[in-house]
Amino acid sequence: EVQLLESGGGLVQPGGSLRLSCAASGFTFSSYGMSWVRQAPGKGLEWVSAISAGGVTTYYADSVKGRFTISRDNSKNTLYLQMNSLRAGDTAVYYCAKVPFLQSMAAPFDYWGQGALVIVSS
Amino acid sequence: DIQMTQSPSSLSASVGDRVTITCRASQDISNYLAWYQQKPGKVPKLLIYAASTLQSGVPSRFSGSGSGTDFALTISSLQPEDVATYYCQKYNTAPRTFGQGTKVEIK
Repeated sequence: EVQLLESGGGLVQPGGSLRLSCAASGFTFSSYGMSWVRQAPGKGLEWVSAISAGGVTTYYADSVKGRFTISRDNSKNTLYLQMNSLRAGDTAVYYCAKVPFLQSMAAPFDYWGQGALVIVSS
Repeated sequence: DIQMTQSPSSLSASVGDRVTITCRASQDISNYLAWYQQKPGKVPKLLIYAASTLQSGVPSRFSGSGSGTDFALTISSLQPEDVATYYCQKYNTAPRTFGQGTKVEIK
C-alpha cells in the first residue's frame, strides 16, 4: 500500500525557515517523480514544486522560486521541502504527491499525503 | 504561464442530475489534463487523467472530455457522496497549474 507521510509543519515567524519531510513507502520511491502542493485555509490547490525521480530536475512555482528548495534522498525514501524567508502568504497545508508513471514528470498525482500545516505568523 | 479557468465556481443540483464542469486552458495543453475531487476535510483524489482516462476505482458515472484548450468533467447521475470541490490541473509542463475549483452541492 502506498503511503506518504508528511512531517515538520508548525508555527514559524515571518522571515523564518522550516523543512518539511515526506516519508514514502509501498512503492519504489526512486522511480517516481514527486511534487509538493499547498492549500491555504479555505482556498484552492496550488502546485509548489516538483522533482524528478533521480533528483536531477526540479521545478518551482514563481511564488516560491528562490525561497523554497525541493530535494529527495532516495536511500531514505524521503522527499523534502526547505522553506526559507517565509511569509504570511505561505500559510497552508502542504501535501506531498507522487506521479503514477515510472520516470515521468509530465503526469498527474495519484497518491497524496495527509498534509502538514504550516502557519507563518508573529 | 498557462492559466486554467474553471466554470462555474459553484453549482447546486439534485440527486440524479447530470452535472458538467468546464475547464479552459489559456494555451493548447493537448490532453495533459487531470481532474481531482476533494471532499470536505479530505485529501484530493485523482478522478481522471489524460483528459478522459478514468483512474482505477473511480465510478463510471464520472467522465472527462476535451483536448487542446477546452475540457469538461461530467457526472452522469449526481449522488450524495459526490458533494465535493472539483479541480482541473494541467501537467504537461511547469507550473502544473490547478483551476480555481468548482464546489458541487446537492439541492
